[in-house]
Amino acid sequence: EDQVTQSPEALRLQEGESSSLNCSYTVSGLRGLFWYRQDPGKGPEFLFTLYSAGEEKEKERLKATLTKKESFLHITAPKPEDSATYLCALGTSGSRLTFGEGTQLTVNP
Amino acid sequence: ETGVTQTPRHLVMGMTNKKSLKCEQHLGHNAMYWYKQSAKKPLELMFVYSLEERVENNSVPSRFSPECPNSSHLFLHLHTLQPEDSALYLCASSQGQGVNSPLHFGNGTRLTVT
Repeated sequence: EDQVTQSPEALRLQEGESSSLNCSYTVSGLRGLFWYRQDPGKGPEFLFTLYSAGEEKEKERLKATLTKKESFLHITAPKPEDSATYLCALGTSGSRLTFGEGTQLTVNP
Repeated sequence: ETGVTQTPRHLVMGMTNKKSLKCEQHLGHNAMYWYKQSAKKPLELMFVYSLEERVENNSVPSRFSPECPNSSHLFLHLHTLQPEDSALYLCASSQGQGVNSPLHFGNGTRLTVT
């Protein structure tokens, strides 16, 4: 059975304090790993898709990396506006995505 | 209007009521989805429509009934719900299916069943 586990459940950072969020997974056939950002009261917003181990993608202060067992979302010098819940999801077959429970990130000024 | 729009944003209903959630996408996509998001639980896929045909029904109770009259509109008809059905219901769309087609979500309908 495909599984995805995100850690930590919640993370508090000071503005400018870099850190990483983890997404560990087990899957029979990974076709892609997705990262989404969700603000309170809103739907998830697509950030990245990673397709194979070793791949990296960047967007502003965010960088996503992928290995055969996990993905990291690195946040460099975060700002308060980066506060959100970050979700990762496995793409396996067809339209099915298996989502993790998310990491709630709070960046204090 | 751009993106994916869901109405209403909030809904309170009794267990004997019948109500409908509406979703409209302005992205020209051909696949639409209903997801359920409960507190402290991962998003759960409920239904998938591709080219207006239902292609996936993820063991959802019959008190939830989807309808996709065209590629831009998706409804979720609700009847005789239970309190445990209280959750955020998210609609999403994509161009095609699969990993090359990221989902675009609406902002959801917050449903409370009393």
